[in-house]
Amino acid sequence: GESVGLHLPTLSVQEGDNSIINCAYSNSASDYFIWYKQESGKGPQFIIDIRSNMDKRQGQRVTVLLNKTVKHLSLQIAATQPGDSAVYFCAEILTGANSKLTFGKGITLSVRP
Amino acid sequence: GAGVSQSPSNKVTEKGKDVELRCDPISGHTALYWYRQSLGQGLEFLIYFQGNSAPDKSGLPSDRFSAERTGGSVSTLTIQRTQQEDSAVYLCASSLGTGMNQPQHFGDGTRLSIL
Repeated sequence: GESVGLHLPTLSVQEGDNSIINCAYSNSASDYFIWYKQESGKGPQFIIDIRSNMDKRQGQRVTVLLNKTVKHLSLQIAATQPGDSAVYFCAEILTGANSKLTFGKGITLSVRP
Repeated sequence: GAGVSQSPSNKVTEKGKDVELRCDPISGHTALYWYRQSLGQGLEFLIYFQGNSAPDKSGLPSDRFSAERTGGSVSTLTIQRTQQEDSAVYLCASSLGTGMNQPQHFGDGTRLSIL
């Protein structure tokens, strides 16, 4: 079946360094992708999204890259801060009828002071 | 409030009891979704509403689960005769629509514990 997965379960980075979180997806028909951040006890928080007709999108301190050739998605966080510590999920959507999100299991980002 | 609101935030109940979970979406959002998140896991789709209708119920795990939405706004997820495996965080999300650039925004969930 189709799935979205994350390459690594945990990532530890030094405060101030850049973080890169990777994600693989398998549904080549997916046309919209979203990164969410989830802090303990909270619901997923929207970070950034990208459409399949784009390969890069920048936000504030975050950049999402999409490589459709290898079905790979990444989230780059510049100058990682302690407040960035959380679980990050990538999600894919085939927009249209119901647009349900298909999530990966999540990767934990831990920022060392 | 501006965000998706869910209640109760926590619910502990005995096996076999029925529970009802509530979701207030962001005002003006026509699409509403229910997901389930087990400990340390990703999110599992349960059901989707467009307005008051539910075109996709494919994720409901059994006939003990049902959901409704009235007035195109508030939704309730009901679990009958709860089982221990129903213990999870139930998350609700809403979006303006189902097209691109209309991301789903989540509430903080209801943490359901079945004793």
